[in-house]
Amino acid sequence: GAGVSQSPSNKVTEKGKDVELRCDPISGHTALYWYRQSLGQGLEFLIYFQGNSAPDKSGLPSDRFSAERTGGSVSTLTIQRTQQEDSAVYLCASSTEYEQYFGPGTRLTVT
Amino acid sequence: SQKIEQNSEALNIQEGKTATLTCNYTNYSPAYLQWYRQDPGRGPVFLLLIRENEKEKRKERLKVTFDTTLKQSLFHITASQPADSATYLCALALSNDYKLSFGAGTTVTVRA
Repeated sequence: GAGVSQSPSNKVTEKGKDVELRCDPISGHTALYWYRQSLGQGLEFLIYFQGNSAPDKSGLPSDRFSAERTGGSVSTLTIQRTQQEDSAVYLCASSTEYEQYFGPGTRLTVT
Repeated sequence: SQKIEQNSEALNIQEGKTATLTCNYTNYSPAYLQWYRQDPGRGPVFLLLIRENEKEKRKERLKVTFDTTLKQSLFHITASQPADSATYLCALALSNDYKLSFGAGTTVTVRA
């Protein structure tokens, strides 16, 4: 079956612009996560959606970052007024329980 | 503060040997620990999960141990193959929540 998909695969944007990153989780997965991975670093947790519960936003680095999940399925991560330090690979994952299934990521470059 | 440390150096081993990776943590009491594999340009792939009340788990050529007293997990790849070359990530969950905290990973290269 289809895995987690993310779009776009690559995004180059100018400093100060807003960007939207999309994640399509595996159908039926109730949990969805966003992570950020900088070059040579581990995954940094950003936000976590579980069913109809309020999302855990404890990893969002600033109020320029927000995410939503519509209809318990597709999620969009929005970064407003992008900064160069936002350049990274943004990974989305979904799960039903403990094992997380990751998408290929979106490589964001802020120039 | 909470910290997860993996082997800081890349690991280079000869085909057929056993690779042993270390994951140490401080200021955590994890309910469970997971290991993932990540290939360049791809998202991580789940390998194994071990719970706090388990000492060891095996899956094919992989073995994970979990010592909550030492606050350490060891990940072994036996009879290693060049196809095992990748970065291996350790991840902890603090409770039976599904949210994970990841280490920086250890890159393994297996020479033919």
